[in-house]
Amino acid sequence: KNEVEQSPQNLTAQEGEFITINCSYSVGISALHWLQQHPGGGIVSLFMLSSGKKKHGRLIATINIQEKHSSLHITASHPRDSAVYICAVRSAVGGTSYGKLTFGQGTILTVHP
Amino acid sequence: SAVISQKPSRDICQRGTSLTIQCQVDSQVTMMFWYRQQPGQSLTLIATANQGSEATYESGFVIDKFPISRPNLTFSTLTVSNMSPEDSSIYLCSVIAGGSGELFFGEGSRLTVL
Repeated sequence: KNEVEQSPQNLTAQEGEFITINCSYSVGISALHWLQQHPGGGIVSLFMLSSGKKKHGRLIATINIQEKHSSLHITASHPRDSAVYICAVRSAVGGTSYGKLTFGQGTILTVHP
Repeated sequence: SAVISQKPSRDICQRGTSLTIQCQVDSQVTMMFWYRQQPGQSLTLIATANQGSEATYESGFVIDKFPISRPNLTFSTLTVSNMSPEDSSIYLCSVIAGGSGELFFGEGSRLTVL
């Protein structure tokens, strides 16, 4: 079992739909990141969470530390949201493991006009 | 925040040759990492680039194949040595901004080995 599991692996939506991507993890973490990767390969950090909820524009990210689960929501989706969304957790262990990230497999989102 | 300039953005190389990828950050950062992303896969950590000392490699990656330099807190290089087609991947550098803990990535270097 992977330490970080994302679902779904692929997601297709119509423009305007509400989208949810889920991330479950099994290790102790100091932070969880949601990343966006466009076809060119560049990666942008969308959110860093250690508790609660954050919102940026049409994007909302939540985390439940007790349940080891996080969700990324996109409201009023748009074709330009089409990308790979990656959940990554940062180890809570210190020493040489500090700062190391473990990545989910990514969710490929396609939003059609 | 941190702005990362990574180059080359892409290259096509012959088997047996080596390629050096550069990563320049616009501010001093302590934590810098090199990742590989094979086609259709997620990111895999190659090593942590340590300023002034040898990089810390992850299981399955060795210094002879992926030598890393980090002469200061704003710059690092990753060399992919004696390349084979299996090395065809996107290579990315990443930093953690010390104060906020935010992540920043370079644009990636897409390497194709023929």
